[in-house]
Formats: sequence, C-alpha cells, structure tokens
Amino acid sequence: EAGVAQSPRYKIIEKRQSVAFWCNPISGHATLYWYQQILGQGPKLLIQFQNNGVVDDSQLPKDRFSAERLKGVDSTLKIQPAKLEDSAVYLCASSSPPRGMGTEAFFGQGTRLTVV
Amino acid sequence: AQKVTQAQTEISVVEKEDVTLDCVYETRDTTYYLFWYKQPPSGELVFLIRRNSFDEQNEISGRYSWNFQKSTSSFNFTITASQVVDSAVYFCALSGGYSTLTFGKGTMLLVSP
Repeated sequence: EAGVAQSPRYKIIEKRQSVAFWCNPISGHATLYWYQQILGQGPKLLIQFQNNGVVDDSQLPKDRFSAERLKGVDSTLKIQPAKLEDSAVYLCASSSPPRGMGTEAFFGQGTRLTVV
Repeated sequence: AQKVTQAQTEISVVEKEDVTLDCVYETRDTTYYLFWYKQPPSGELVFLIRRNSFDEQNEISGRYSWNFQKSTSSFNFTITASQVVDSAVYFCALSGGYSTLTFGKGTMLLVSP
C-alpha cells in the first residue's frame, strides 16, 4: 500500500514570496491533516479535512495560509506571503475512519520550508 | 484543553542499555487515546502504539513496552536493549473524543555503539 505522498521535499523562498505544498493521502482515507513542525517542537495541527470539508482550522493563520481539498482526495497548502517564522516542516497525514475513533494517522515525509 | 508533556528533551545511552521515555498528559475527556510516534532522521512520523483510556494493561512488543497509568496521567515508553537504529525523536500524542492529535515536544534519543 502506498503511503502519504508529499512534494516538494525541500523548498527555499524569500520572505514575502508565496509557496504551495501538495499532498496525496493513502487511497481511501477520508481524513486529511496538515501539520506544522517547527524545529525542536512537536507537530501542530493547521487544518483537518473530512473528505472535502474542513473539520478544524482553528490554528491556521488564515491571513496568509490557505488549504483546499477540492475533490476529497489530494490537497494543497499555500502560504502567501511567507514570513521568516514560517520556516518549518509541513507534514501531511491521513486516517480512516475519523480521528475520534482512535485510529492512527499515517504521515508523509514532509516538506521542509526555509524562508530567508 | 489537552496537553502532553515530555520533560526529557534529549537522552543519550549506549547500545544495549534500557531507556524509558516519559509522557504526562492532561485532558478533561473521559474517553481518549494515547499514541507514541517515532520520527527518524528521514522525517516521517512512524506510528508505534495506540492506547485507549479504558485499557490500562501494559503492552510489550518485542523490545518495546508501554506503561499506562491513569492515576498519574502517564504513558511511558521503554526500549529494552537499545540499538543504534532506535536513534530518533519520539513523540507522545493525545486524542480526546473527536479532537485531533496533540503532540508533546518530543524526546530525542541518541543510541551510541
């Protein structure tokens, strides 16, 4: 079974530029998550989708971050404009059934973003 | 609010030593799940174990064992006879009800030959 795919693996941009990350979850997984992991910290949830609907985006900085999962499969996370503090690893994960039933989330390898 | 505390930032051991990673959690939910994930240098978070709040039995899987104690809100992870390949960052995480995973800050384990 293929795992969660993310691209690119690495990205370096200048502040105020925009960037987009792509995630393809495990086939059949209805729930998709984007996490931000700053160096030395645990992952922090940015947004959770159930199919193509948003379940939780309470920690997403909506003035600069956006995410979509239009067809309920793959997803894109965008940052515009980027700030230095956005430097982090962005992890995508998927699970099935929904989180509340205690199933584990499967994570991709992440995209390491460096904002200079 | 949920909170996970991993007080140990970094642990260094020599191969074959036993090591315990501590995890203390806070939640108001009566039903919740606890997890341990391993993050090797490649960056991918690897699921190790899940425990629900009603099951306090300790679990052993090969060299890994987990001690869940509701009375102290702890879910500690022990690696017996550690190996160099165990070197990674280990995260404890909590999920209550329909809420998403809340991670601790992680413990970096360095196992030297």
